[in-house]
Amino acid sequence: NAGVTQTPKFQVLKTGQSMTLQCAQDMNHNSMYWYRQDPGMGLRLIYYSASEGTTDKGEVPNGYNVSRLNKREFSLRLESAAPSQTSVYFCASSEQAGAGEQYFGPGTRLTVT
Amino acid sequence: AQSVTQPDIHITVSEGASLELRCNYSYGATPYLFWYVQSPGQGLQLLLKYFSGDTLVQGIKGFEAEFKRSQSSFNLRKPSVHWSDAAEYFCAVAGGSYIPTFGRGTSLIVHP
Repeated sequence: NAGVTQTPKFQVLKTGQSMTLQCAQDMNHNSMYWYRQDPGMGLRLIYYSASEGTTDKGEVPNGYNVSRLNKREFSLRLESAAPSQTSVYFCASSEQAGAGEQYFGPGTRLTVT
Repeated sequence: AQSVTQPDIHITVSEGASLELRCNYSYGATPYLFWYVQSPGQGLQLLLKYFSGDTLVQGIKGFEAEFKRSQSSFNLRKPSVHWSDAAEYFCAVAGGSYIPTFGRGTSLIVHP
């Protein structure tokens, strides 16, 4: 059972480059989330999708866009990467928004130089 | 608005000793509360959760947590720590929006 998968695991970008982080879940969950984790800052919510067809901003959405491609997939796009976006990015899913357990992917470590 | 505070950035314990990790939340009503664990290089895994009912919650790996409304706390405990418990621990609170807010984490170091 794969759970939540993320690709790539590691990525190095130059300032101004763009990229898309992919996330997929096989648990038939309705809700999906993107977090970033920085040292001493815990996890901060970037965007979430409460259900297929909806997306909402979280705490730190600037510089990011998301697409809920279908029920399984939720991608995060950096249009013009900046060094401040160097972080570890986690995708998560849950049956319903918030109230239930979240299942996390293994993370993508992104470095922007 | 909801918020959560984990006052301890690092905690060091000896193997076999007891453990208590502190978590304080801010929310006007009774929230949903969670503890997650993150091993190095891994994603987060749920240890336990509190939604309602019994204020002492049992979780996986021998952990428990107690919800104390009067103190706005949800502290995580384990009677005897194993070396494999060394990890980062996150408390999370979900209030009216039902989207969890995470604390900054507590890093647990276990000495042999």
